[in-house]
Amino acid sequence: EIVMTQSPVTLSVSPGERATLSCRASQSVSSNLAWYQQKPGQAPRLLINGASSRATGTPARFSGSGSGTEFTLTISSLQSEDFAVYYCHQYNQWPLTFGGGTKVEIK
Amino acid sequence: QVQLVESGGGVVQPGRSLRLSCVVSGFAFTSHGMHWVRQPPGKGLEWVGVISYDGSKEQYADSVKGRFTISRDNSMNTLYLQMNRLRAEDTAVYYCAKDLLPNNWGSRGFDYWGQGTLVTVSS
Repeated sequence: EIVMTQSPVTLSVSPGERATLSCRASQSVSSNLAWYQQKPGQAPRLLINGASSRATGTPARFSGSGSGTEFTLTISSLQSEDFAVYYCHQYNQWPLTFGGGTKVEIK
Repeated sequence: QVQLVESGGGVVQPGRSLRLSCVVSGFAFTSHGMHWVRQPPGKGLEWVGVISYDGSKEQYADSVKGRFTISRDNSMNTLYLQMNRLRAEDTAVYYCAKDLLPNNWGSRGFDYWGQGTLVTVSS
């Protein structure tokens, strides 16, 4: 099983600042990686797949990068609606796995 | 618009069974693999399993293999999760999710999710 490790667990950021979230895979997942955003009481929402392709409706301030084992989600200028938990997810091989999540909170 | 609506959750005793359903609309159900993902209260996401677009293939997480079975009725646009021999650690919100990849075996991530149904395993 591929283990996905996200860091940091919690990220405190002021509105308008840049946020950088990291995700590491225990073995290569190529570019078969997605990022999801989840707000309290809601289902996750796809932001990025293919490591760097924004999903329909994802604002341009969200960008993904990386391949192999190291990935990054960057939010260029945090808006109030961006405070949430973010999960990375590998779909390169079964079983599919998620990272433990990064909570982005207001500083 | 795309909709996925889960049902069937509730409180069940350890060792008993429960079946969840997910009724979908707004996309070609017969063309996409479908997944179940669960989330224990206050914790992260855990992939449970997948069924191929035509129902011919399945894969499961080790934690549920041999106890849970995913099936689908393409004529009813409905996905199912049969959960047997339930344990306390199966307590979670269960989501169904649509795979991006059409007409193939594999995955490209999940572009639509249901709102989830809560399963509580407790005596």
